[in-house]
Amino acid sequence: AQSVTQLGSHVSVSEGALVLLRCNYSSSVPPYLFWYVQYPNQGLQLLLKYTSAATLVKGINGFEAEFKKSETSFHLTKPSAHMSDAAEYFCAVSDGNQFYFGTGTSLTVIP
Amino acid sequence: GAVVSQHPSRVICKSGTSVKIECRSLDFQATTMFWYRQFPKKSLMLMATSNEGSKATYEQGVEKDKFLINHASLTLSTLTVTSAHPEDSSFYICSARVAGEYTGELFFGEGSRLTVL
Repeated sequence: AQSVTQLGSHVSVSEGALVLLRCNYSSSVPPYLFWYVQYPNQGLQLLLKYTSAATLVKGINGFEAEFKKSETSFHLTKPSAHMSDAAEYFCAVSDGNQFYFGTGTSLTVIP
Repeated sequence: GAVVSQHPSRVICKSGTSVKIECRSLDFQATTMFWYRQFPKKSLMLMATSNEGSKATYEQGVEKDKFLINHASLTLSTLTVTSAHPEDSSFYICSARVAGEYTGELFFGEGSRLTVL
């Protein structure tokens, strides 16, 4: 079985500061890991995904995430936050069939 | 990437009426589609898995007769909220999986905001 834990339901950062959104997973098989972003009243958009290739994955809008098997983590980072990054972020894990979401992290960017 | 279109994006209806929401995969075939419900400030709750040509699989606690799902073709799934009541007001999101995609990646529609008066 798989599960995802997102630590911190709300994260606030200043514009230009580092963004770090945490995600830990549990999986009995090699996982596929995803980060999605959701803007208000919109669906989910894929930011990036890990599919067992490179452990450091680069995504859209300057985001990246590193798969660390020893820590069972897949934290999302961005060096410099922009006002347009304010949104809800969801981490997800898949075994290729079942798909599980974390509870989401709301990112606020302070000007 | 694959595109999923959902319609309508917003719908307001009177209590007791039925509302249909469509989910289309525009540039790929989707043998499996998923319907989620999202409450304010909450994560997505999987309601049901829609399989082309067969009955949908509903999650525990989701009323089959209230939320009718039809997946009649490889590019279209519909969710009908029957006899809608104010407590059915929510944001409904569909997603689809590309046939043969080994990672299980989901592509999402834009969501539909249902308001029942």
